[in-house]
Amino acid sequence: ETGVTQSPTHLIKTRGQQVTLRCSSQSGHNTVSWYQQALGQGPQFIFQYYREEENGRGNFPPRFSGLQFPNYSSELNVNALELDDSALYLCASSPGGAQGNTEAFFGQGTRLTVV
Amino acid sequence: AQSVTQLDSQVPVFEEAPVELRCNYSSSVSVYLFWYVQYPNQGLQLLLKYLSGSTLVKGINGFEAEFNKSQTSFHLRKPSVHISDTAEYFCAVSVQGGSEKLVFGKGTKLTVNP
Repeated sequence: ETGVTQSPTHLIKTRGQQVTLRCSSQSGHNTVSWYQQALGQGPQFIFQYYREEENGRGNFPPRFSGLQFPNYSSELNVNALELDDSALYLCASSPGGAQGNTEAFFGQGTRLTVV
Repeated sequence: AQSVTQLDSQVPVFEEAPVELRCNYSSSVSVYLFWYVQYPNQGLQLLLKYLSGSTLVKGINGFEAEFNKSQTSFHLRKPSVHISDTAEYFCAVSVQGGSEKLVFGKGTKLTVNP
């Protein structure tokens, strides 16, 4: 059973550019959530996908968008990058069911630096 | 809305000493409670969770936590820590019957010294 994998592991982008981060969910999991973890902070919920549909969104602007594919892998897209977007981006997959009580399995994250 | 407060940003202890990491939460609806650990340059790993039933929950690596509804707390404890327990610890909540969205605290950096 493979775990949650994210790519790339590190990324440097210039302010104003666009970036796509990728996540492969754990086998059998149909729910993927994305979190932003700024330095010295706890993870902040960006949004969640359940069976290819957005299922909740945190307090992030529309330039943060996502997608979930039929195999339940997911992408996070960020347009018009700002310096404050520099953070560790974490993907978490779970078996779903939307009950809030299942364990979320996290990937190792993508470290994004915006210069 | 839910919020989580971790009262200590850093906790230094000596090896084999007991430790308690404090967590308080605020929510107008019932929540589930979680503790996650993050080792350097890694993602988060679940230590333990409280869903219902006994208020004392045992997790991996010898950790346990006690849910106190009246004090809205979910403190994490370990009777004897090891050097390898050095990591960042996050308390989190999710809404019962809601999505899998987790609301995290800011974390507590546990440093175990020899």
